[in-house]
Amino acid sequence: GNSVTQMEGPVTLSEEAFLTINCTYTATGYPSLFWYVQYPGEGLQLLLKATKADDKGSNKGFEATYRKETTSFHLEKGSVQVSDSAVYFCALSLDSGSARQLTFGSGTQLTVLP
Amino acid sequence: DADVTQTPRNRITKTGKRIMLECSQTKGHDRMYWYRQDPGLGLRLIYYSFDVKDINKGEISDGYSVSRQAQAKFSLSLESAIPNQTALYFCATSEGVQPQHFGDGTRLSIL
Repeated sequence: GNSVTQMEGPVTLSEEAFLTINCTYTATGYPSLFWYVQYPGEGLQLLLKATKADDKGSNKGFEATYRKETTSFHLEKGSVQVSDSAVYFCALSLDSGSARQLTFGSGTQLTVLP
Repeated sequence: DADVTQTPRNRITKTGKRIMLECSQTKGHDRMYWYRQDPGLGLRLIYYSFDVKDINKGEISDGYSVSRQAQAKFSLSLESAIPNQTALYFCATSEGVQPQHFGDGTRLSIL
């Protein structure tokens, strides 16, 4: 079956530190990959996505590159801010017929301290 | 106004009670989804619907039922709530194979 494994949190960083959140996946076929972010008290928001190998998704200073050879989609940001504190979810999607179903990782809590 | 609205936002109830969680959307999307979120487990799909006449079970549908009353409305029911259904529930929508948009969630506690 399909699965997503994320590094366990919580992760605590100081402002302006470099962030990496690891994500690896197992899938039959060629999935699309996503990072979602969940701010306190809110639903999930799409942060970035990549639909094929070697694609790089980027948004708000975050980046992730679809690495087929290592089945990975690690999230990075060069300089985090306090406002980046949230839970980050890696997810994959394999279109099944006309459906798009998401398989999520367990989430990584990030806290950025001033 | 939010594009995907869930009601209620919080609910505390007792074991054995019937509960309905509602979701409405103004995005005009054809597809709607219900997930539950548990600590350390991420989100798991309960049910999804491609359109008003289509309902599909997800990964963890046991103990739940759904109704797609209209394109914009998708409700989740717990016929006889049990404590291990205590969780954060999310509704989501999508248009075709585009990324999903999530509501702000319903926190459900079953005593």
